[in-house]
Amino acid sequence: DIQMTQSPSSVSASVGDRVTITCQASQPISSWLAWYQQKPGKAPKLLISAASTLQSGVPSRFIGSGSGTDFTLTITSLQPEDFATYYCQQANSFPLTFGPGTKVDIK
Amino acid sequence: QVQLEQSGAEVKKPGASVKVSCKASGHTFSRAGLSWVRQAPGQGLEWLGWISATGNTDYAHNLQGRVTISTDTSTSTASLELRSLRSDDTAVYYCARDSSTMTLGDWGQGTLVTVSS
Repeated sequence: DIQMTQSPSSVSASVGDRVTITCQASQPISSWLAWYQQKPGKAPKLLISAASTLQSGVPSRFIGSGSGTDFTLTITSLQPEDFATYYCQQANSFPLTFGPGTKVDIK
Repeated sequence: QVQLEQSGAEVKKPGASVKVSCKASGHTFSRAGLSWVRQAPGQGLEWLGWISATGNTDYAHNLQGRVTISTDTSTSTASLELRSLRSDDTAVYYCARDSSTMTLGDWGQGTLVTVSS
């Protein structure tokens, strides 16, 4: 199975800050990586597929990059609605696996 | 617009089985695969299994033998059955449709399954 790690596990930031979350796969997965945002009590929401493809309706301040084993999600200017937990997920092979999550909260 | 409507919360005793359903509107399961994902209280996301548009299935290794995913195309409903329930199966269970291969684009609202004696 492909193991996914994320760092940091949590980050405290202010509105307008730039936030970067990293995700690492235990083996190369090309660009087969997705990012999800989850708010408390809600289902996850797909933000980015194929490492860098922004989903329709997702603000352009969310930027995904990377390939192989190392990936990054950057929020260029944090907005109040962005405080949430973010998960990466490898989409290369079954079983699908998620990173442990990064909680972005208010500083 | 695809919407996935899941069945209501369940309370089960250890050793029992549970079946959670996921009804799709604006979509037929013959066009895209569907995964089930769960989230234990305060924990991260765990993938449970997947059914393809043609009915092929793949399951998480640690649930093999206890889980079955099926679809009824006539009612646009997918189901997850989990047997021999244990307390650590307590979680919110989500269905999620593939938007592209192995990427989960549309999610149900979640179903809380509580396993308690």
